[in-house]
Amino acid sequence: KNEVEQSPQNLTAQEGEFITINCSYSVGISALHWLQQHPGGGIVSLFMLSSGKKKHGRLIATINIQEKHSSLHITASHPRDSAVYICAVLPLPNTGNQFYFGTGTSLTVIP
Amino acid sequence: EPEVTQTPSHQVTQMGQEVILRCVPISNHLYFYWYRQILGQKVEFLVSFYNNEISEKSEIFDDQFSVERPDGSNFTLKIRSTKLEDSAMYFCASSELMYNEQFFGPGTRLTVL
Repeated sequence: KNEVEQSPQNLTAQEGEFITINCSYSVGISALHWLQQHPGGGIVSLFMLSSGKKKHGRLIATINIQEKHSSLHITASHPRDSAVYICAVLPLPNTGNQFYFGTGTSLTVIP
Repeated sequence: EPEVTQTPSHQVTQMGQEVILRCVPISNHLYFYWYRQILGQKVEFLVSFYNNEISEKSEIFDDQFSVERPDGSNFTLKIRSTKLEDSAMYFCASSELMYNEQFFGPGTRLTVL
């Protein structure tokens, strides 16, 4: 069974804080997707990675394939970062494009 | 910047009615997907579509569901006879190639009464 666990489920931070959201999964994967879901429901792709680290602006994503773990970091957090952050994995073997999603981490950044 | 669009943003229907949800993927993308998210739950994969046929589908995607690319731009999801439990947010996504980053539309909120 493809389990994707995220922690924490809910996170409240003060503006400017460094934030870490974690994602663990139970099967081998070929790729992992970090997504951001806005309060209105829309989903935005942040990163897709299969190894190492990616950086975009204040966002950094890392993955450790051997440990089956990924982290999403937000530096200098801002209230506009408030959203649900979702991790999704593409399991091996690659028979298709069926991503399995975590339940999300709800982030609130207070001014 | 190119984006995936979906219409309508909100659809209300009576149980047993047919609904068609529409999506316009990013123009140079070749792979298309439908996902759903029941309120308060995780996003779930429904189906992927490539080269005018279904490439993968989940257990949720039963005979009540169908997908179609009726022309060069639209990608549709049809639910033949809606049930109360079909109420959810439905997201369309597209990717340039298989296993590439997927780009999501804003979603259609389906409410079945």
